[in-house]
Amino acid sequence: QKEVEQNSGPLSVPEGAIASLNCTYSDRGSQSFFWYRQYSGKSPELIMSIYSNGDKEDGRFTAQLNKASQYVSLLIRDSQPSDSATYLCALNAGNNRKLIWGLGTSLAVNP
Amino acid sequence: NAGVMQNPRHLVRRRGQEARLRCSPMKGHSHVYWYRQLPEEGLKFMVYLQKENIIDESGMPKERFSAEFPKEGPSILRIQQVVRGDSAAYFCASSPRQDGAGELFFGEGSRLTVL
Repeated sequence: QKEVEQNSGPLSVPEGAIASLNCTYSDRGSQSFFWYRQYSGKSPELIMSIYSNGDKEDGRFTAQLNKASQYVSLLIRDSQPSDSATYLCALNAGNNRKLIWGLGTSLAVNP
Repeated sequence: NAGVMQNPRHLVRRRGQEARLRCSPMKGHSHVYWYRQLPEEGLKFMVYLQKENIIDESGMPKERFSAEFPKEGPSILRIQQVVRGDSAAYFCASSPRQDGAGELFFGEGSRLTVL
């Protein structure tokens, strides 16, 4: 079982819809969770971090964490074509000094 | 406030040559991470360094690859005797604190092509 699993996609949503990206992980000791966005040919960019169970909202983005079920999700409301990118889930198991990365989900927002 | 600076952005080498990639972290950041990314693949951790120290090199191939982060100057990722399989994007990221390993700021990457 991979440590961090994401559906590779592509996930295709119409402009204005809600895009839902999911990530499951295997290490119950994981404490910190991150969503990065990577445009094609560019470097990853941190968009959300979440550390405790529940929802965290930042503008059109909402991160949801459920440690009991070992998943973390990212919701993008009012999706825009500029949101089309690969979204990478990453986590830190506390004592580790490096992140564990998923392979990413490709999102396409269609005008 | 300049971000993470990497150079060169693009590097072409022939098999057997050396590739040297440089990374200057954001001002105030003393923690540097190097990642490799192949097309359509995820980020692969290579090495984590602090000034003058290699903290974790568990992702580095045992041969031909080395990294340093001297007291003065940028961090360097060095690949000796490159092979075609080394062709990839190499990203450097920095963080302001040790427990900030999740909140990384990435450079634009160095894209190595081995002919």
